[in-house]
Amino acid sequence: GAVVSQHPSRVICKSGTSVKIECRSLDFQATTMFWYRQFPKQSLMLMATSNEGSKATYEQGVEKDKFLINHASLTLSTLTVTSAHPEDSSFYICSANRGSYNEQFFGPGTRLTVL
Amino acid sequence: TQLLEQSPQFLSIQEGENLTVYCNSSSVFSSLQWYRQEPGEGPVLLVTVVTGGEVKKLKRLTFQFGDARKDSSLHITAAQPGDTGLYLCAGALNFGNEKLTFGTGTRLTIIP
Repeated sequence: GAVVSQHPSRVICKSGTSVKIECRSLDFQATTMFWYRQFPKQSLMLMATSNEGSKATYEQGVEKDKFLINHASLTLSTLTVTSAHPEDSSFYICSANRGSYNEQFFGPGTRLTVL
Repeated sequence: TQLLEQSPQFLSIQEGENLTVYCNSSSVFSSLQWYRQEPGEGPVLLVTVVTGGEVKKLKRLTFQFGDARKDSSLHITAAQPGDTGLYLCAGALNFGNEKLTFGTGTRLTIIP
């Protein structure tokens, strides 16, 4: 149990376009999901907390108009990178919270490359 | 401010050796998790500890939560090449749907 999927796994786009990444909890409901960004050889950097039915909470320094998050149901959260630029190229990972001990189950990640 | 410091940052050892990874903080955590991540994939949850002094074993891996719930350690016995990966500790300050603070990470390489 506790499987999280992400789609797409890899995307290449031109500068200026928008990219949507989906995160789904397949076998459980998640009122809270998280979006992370990871740079090569580094730990995870939390971007935002996504709450079902309410606005996302963004970490300091993360532009909410740049990284749009929608948590429309208990099993789906989406991250849209708007007007992507090469500096947005990164590995984006989502997770879903399950249980009372803050255990997070992660998706396989999305590699975004902006040309 | 990085709340969780892991050491060592990099570790490369021979197959069959033992090793310990440390996760330290000045903050008290309600729960702490350990994850392992392989290149190009998401982290996989290994264990959750919630009680001060708690020890959990997962085959050759032994996890300990400090008595004051500020630190944790991961000990691997007789390391295998399959143990290679990025090990991350992560703590939650409160219970509930709380965000995690991730450690700086330990990149472990087991040489066959």
